[in-house]
Parts: sequence; structure tokens; C-alpha cells
Amino acid sequence: SQQGEEDPQALSIQEGENATMNCSYKTSINNLQWYRQNSGRGLVHLILIRSNEREKHSGRLRVTLDTSKKSSSLLITASRAADTASYFCVGGSYIPTFGRGTSLIVHP
Amino acid sequence: DSGVTQTPKHLITATGQRVTLRCSPRSGDLSVYWYQQSLDQGLQFLIQYYNGEERAKGNILERFSAQQFPDLHSELNLSSLELGDSALYFCASSVDLSREETQYFGPGTRLLVL
Repeated sequence: SQQGEEDPQALSIQEGENATMNCSYKTSINNLQWYRQNSGRGLVHLILIRSNEREKHSGRLRVTLDTSKKSSSLLITASRAADTASYFCVGGSYIPTFGRGTSLIVHP
Repeated sequence: DSGVTQTPKHLITATGQRVTLRCSPRSGDLSVYWYQQSLDQGLQFLIQYYNGEERAKGNILERFSAQQFPDLHSELNLSSLELGDSALYFCASSVDLSREETQYFGPGTRLLVL
């Protein structure tokens, strides 16, 4: 399966700091997507990076992809309390498989 | 608001019972996915339908079944419920089969089996 495994499991930072989350996957992918989930609610798509891309930006989000290491990272710059949520990665594959996510807490 | 609706929002039932969860995809989306999210298992893909046909199967138990109707809404049927089936059940939709398509998630149905 294309399981995404996020690391760390939990991250606690102060508002204004940057937050970095990592994702590892096991097999080849065509693309990798990051999603965000506020407590008990549905996931919201954040960004997609294709396998031939190394870096992508969207607002305060920066995603990198290293296909040789089968890993990706999500950087949230200048974090805000409203960024508090769980973040998931998923590789584009026949079976979409999410990891357990990184739980981010941003303290005001 | 993602445009995906799920009913009911909450469901409390007893072991051994059967329930039906309903999902209406975003207008124009042909693909529907079902997921189960529990504390110990994380977010698990159950099954995908595309334009009425089953397209991919994940960790779906034999006690569970789903279908997608001609109007593209989908139902997930859970039978012979067990305590361990208590979880959040999400439906998501996308335009087509491509794995580059963004999935739009509904608000979920919270199922509690007592």
C-alpha cells in the first residue's frame, strides 16, 4: 500500500514559529497530497505535489518531495493559533492510504 | 463547506444492529470514497465507487457494504455491529478516477455502538 507515515506524531509550538512535518511512504507514487483536519471534522485538501516536482509553495505552506528517499515535508511558516489541526499526507495510488497524522498545536 | 453532505451526523445504536450512512457528493463529482476513522486505527480507506460501479476496495469488513445510486449518492451499510465499529465515518468525493484529483470530504457521521 502507499501508506503515508507522518512524523512527529505531535508538535506543540508558539504562534509565529514555523512548523515542519514529515511524511514517508513505501512505494512509488505519481503525486503526494497533504490534508488538514480540524478536530472531529472532515479533511481539507491543502496542496498536491507531483513526483517530478521537488518543491511547491502555497501561501504560508511549503512542501518538498524527495522521491529517492520516499519522503515529503510540509512547512507552515509564521504559524497561527488557527493552524491547530492534524495534518495528513497521502500518496496518489490505487488505494488511498492515510497515516495517523501529525497533531499540531499552536499556542497563542 | 465542501459541498459533500452526510447524514446522519450522529448515530447511537446497540451491538448486533444494522445502520445505513448516506452521502451526497459535490455536484458534478462522479467518484465517492468511504473512510473510517477511529482513535486506534487512524483514517482507513474502505471503498470507492465511480459512476455507480465499485472501483477500489480497502479495509472493508464483510459485514459492511456500500453502493452508489444513479443519482450518484452513496450509502454505506454496516451490519451486525460491534463495539469496535464505533468511529467517525467520512465520505469524500472527487470529479473522476484520477489520483491527482482533490478529494472533498464531508463532515462525517459519528457512530457509537453500545
